[in-house]
Amino acid sequence: EIVLTQSPGTLSLSPGERATLSCRASQSVSSSYLAWYQQKPGQAPSLLIYGASNRATGIPDRFSGSGSGTDFTLTISRLEPEDFAVYYCQQYGSSPRYAFGQGTKLEIK
Amino acid sequence: QVQLQQSGPGLVKPSQTLSLTCAISGDSVSSNTVAWNWIRQSPSRGLEWLGRTYYRSTWYNDYAISVKGRITINPDTSKNQFSLQLNSVTPEDTAVYYCARGYSYCMDVWGKGTTVTVSS
Repeated sequence: EIVLTQSPGTLSLSPGERATLSCRASQSVSSSYLAWYQQKPGQAPSLLIYGASNRATGIPDRFSGSGSGTDFTLTISRLEPEDFAVYYCQQYGSSPRYAFGQGTKLEIK
Repeated sequence: QVQLQQSGPGLVKPSQTLSLTCAISGDSVSSNTVAWNWIRQSPSRGLEWLGRTYYRSTWYNDYAISVKGRITINPDTSKNQFSLQLNSVTPEDTAVYYCARGYSYCMDVWGKGTTVTVSS
């Protein structure tokens, strides 16, 4: 079973700053199988990035994903007020079929 | 535009069965390119994938080990929806339950979520 560990748990930044969120897998993960989601309070998660680096439909280009093997990164180049939320990474595997990290809360400093 | 509309009770008694439905618009439960998933979220367990159903000339199911033996996910082609049944629930099954479409190794469309409390 692959475990995803996200860091930091909480990230405090100001609008306009750059955010770098990490997702580390306990075993190597195919880049095709790594996704990122954003979740705002009271809402369902929404897909941001799939295949480690591909933006989902309608996602602004300030969001980017990178990484391979066991280390993946979500970068938000210039934070907008609406970007403050919780972010989850997710991998597709054999058991469980989908596994999620514990999340990084991005809060306004 | 694909949308998922969830329905079902928000309160279930311990030992009883949790039943939720997810109605699909803009896609087909019988699509052979996607899968239909149930996920739950609680403070103690985070986001937890429960299982999925999908059609590839015949119907298949995948279930998480954590709920295997208690869970059934069924498609309903006549109503273009799919359902979740979780048997013998305990307070640990209290969570927000989501349905979601699985496509290309991720979940690209989600329902709004149903808060389910297990309590007598």
